[in-house]
Amino acid sequence: GNSVTQMEGPVTLSEEAFLTINCTYTATGYPSLFWYVQYPGEGLQLLLKATKADDKGSNKGFEATYRKETTSFHLEKGSVQVSDSAVYFCALSRYSSASKIIFGSGTRLSIRP
Amino acid sequence: EPEVTQTPSHQVTQMGQEVILRCVPISNHLYFYWYRQILGQKVEFLVSFYNNEISEKSEIFDDQFSVERPDGSNFTLKIRSTKLEDSAMYFCASTDPGTSGGLSADTQYFGPGTRLTVL
Repeated sequence: GNSVTQMEGPVTLSEEAFLTINCTYTATGYPSLFWYVQYPGEGLQLLLKATKADDKGSNKGFEATYRKETTSFHLEKGSVQVSDSAVYFCALSRYSSASKIIFGSGTRLSIRP
Repeated sequence: EPEVTQTPSHQVTQMGQEVILRCVPISNHLYFYWYRQILGQKVEFLVSFYNNEISEKSEIFDDQFSVERPDGSNFTLKIRSTKLEDSAMYFCASTDPGTSGGLSADTQYFGPGTRLTVL
């Protein structure tokens, strides 16, 4: 079946460090891929997305590239800030945005000042 | 910016009681969803709803669950007889696949969630 696997947390980094959170997926065809972020005490917010192979999604300094050959969608940021502390969820949607979203288990990120 | 809203933010109930969780999706959206997140676990799909009927449901969404769009703005999730294991954060989401352009296109927007605690 369709699934998403992302690196276990928690991840703790110092401010201005480089961030990578790994995500791989299993799905037939060409799913849409997403990163959602959940800040403490808040709901899920879409961070970025990519809908076809080799697309790069980007937002707020975060980037992820849809790699079909490696079935991956790793999240990266060049210089993290304390305000980036949150839980990050990799996710996929099998057919379109109307389809259910399948989430990974989430990675908690903590940034030290 | 339009947003999905949910009420209440926290609901505490006794096992066996009925609860209704309420959501107001974004006004021009046509597809509605409920997801849940048990503490410390992944977010799981429960049900999707379009054109006044369920379009897909997960195995979690058994006969104890029902959804309704009672008017033009609200979307509700009812749990008829709550169990301890129903304790979770419940998220409502909505989308309009017809939108185009930018990050918001073709995207499910999530509400802030209702934390349900079953005692």
